[in-house]
Parts: sequence; structure tokens; C-alpha cells
Amino acid sequence: DGGITQSPKYLFRKEGQNVTLSCEQNLNHDAMYWYRQDPGQGLRLIYYSQIVNDFQKGDIAEGYSVSREKKESFPLTVTSAQKNPTAFYLCASSTEASGQYFGPGTRLLVL
Amino acid sequence: GQNIDQPTEMTATEGAIVQINCTYQTSGFNGLFWYQQHAGEAPTFLSYNVLDGLEEKGRFSSFLSRSKGYSYLLLKELQMKDSASYLCAVRDPRNYGQNFVFGPGTRLSVLP
Repeated sequence: DGGITQSPKYLFRKEGQNVTLSCEQNLNHDAMYWYRQDPGQGLRLIYYSQIVNDFQKGDIAEGYSVSREKKESFPLTVTSAQKNPTAFYLCASSTEASGQYFGPGTRLLVL
Repeated sequence: GQNIDQPTEMTATEGAIVQINCTYQTSGFNGLFWYQQHAGEAPTFLSYNVLDGLEEKGRFSSFLSRSKGYSYLLLKELQMKDSASYLCAVRDPRNYGQNFVFGPGTRLSVLP
């Protein structure tokens, strides 16, 4: 089945630690996105990528980094510079003709 | 700039009809999407409008007026499972039309 997956479902981060959230899609979509969602809030764009080896900052990129070495994969690293990382992180992909397909999300919590 | 507005919360009764409005001001427009999001889950696609008018899909319909920068999602015969947040999103034609701007979402509570 085609789809978009994220792992892990829950992730715990210690103070000063970098953590990486995985996002994989087998939909053959060119574009991929990372959003952050805080309780009761809408989606805020962190980073997006139109094609392999290219990505652009979204509205709240500070404290995050990404890579796009393969079309199927778009991992997000939450660095120690992100002082308030607790949130629900959503990965999505799309084509020029479609809306966005979302993964199930990763909930990041700080210990 | 980019701005999308939706009411924060709405309440309706099971079996009733509810209309959720969305107004937008964006630098470009290449389609408007509605998503449903249950608490703790990912958004799922409901509808897409790119031309003016009404798109009907079962109990859900979506309307668009590009000249007014306005859309609404109409939910008929409300069921308890329709309690969720509803997100309005506009596709921005920059970057080959693959940027999406999301509204804050409307949290709908359906009461028995």
C-alpha cells in the first residue's frame, strides 16, 4: 500500500540532546514538508523540499535541520537550539496536482 | 502577507447542519483544501476547490468564492464522530504551487 510513515510515534528528548524524526513516503511525491502543531493551534511550516538535495526554510526553521538525500525520505532533526520542542510533528508530501498527504505524526516530549 | 481566518470553536447538535467559514488573504491562489483532524491524529483530506462554486461529496460540501476570498465547509446530518478540528488551507502558486498555507483550524463539538 502507498503511504507516508513517521517514526517513532512518541519521542523523548533530554536537555541539550539532538533527536531525529523519521519520515518516509512511497507515493513517488516530489515535495515533502514538516509541520509543527502545538495544542489547540494550526500547522506551522518548519521546512519543505521540492526535490532531492534541495530544501527551503519555512516560517519556524530556527532550531531544526533537515536533509533530502532520497526522494522517499525527509528526516527532521530537532537540535538543542530549539528551546521549546514539545509539540506534535507532522510530515506531509504532495505532487503538483494533489493536496497534501500526512503521516500519522510524532509527539515529542522533553524530559 | 498570508492570512487565513476561521472561527476557533463551534458547537452543533447531532443530526443538524453546520457551516464552517474560512476567509483568506494570500499573495496568490491555486486551490483551497479542507482537512479533518481528530485529536492526536493527522489531518485527512476532505475537499478541494479551485473554481468558484459548490463541490458536494456525501454529507460534506465545500463552497468557494475567489473574488471574496471566502470558502465554507458544510456538514449535514451531523454525527458524533464529526467532532474534530477542521483546517482550511490555501495552495500558494509560488514554488510550483506546492506551498500550502493553513488556517488555525475550527474545533467542532457535536452534542447528542
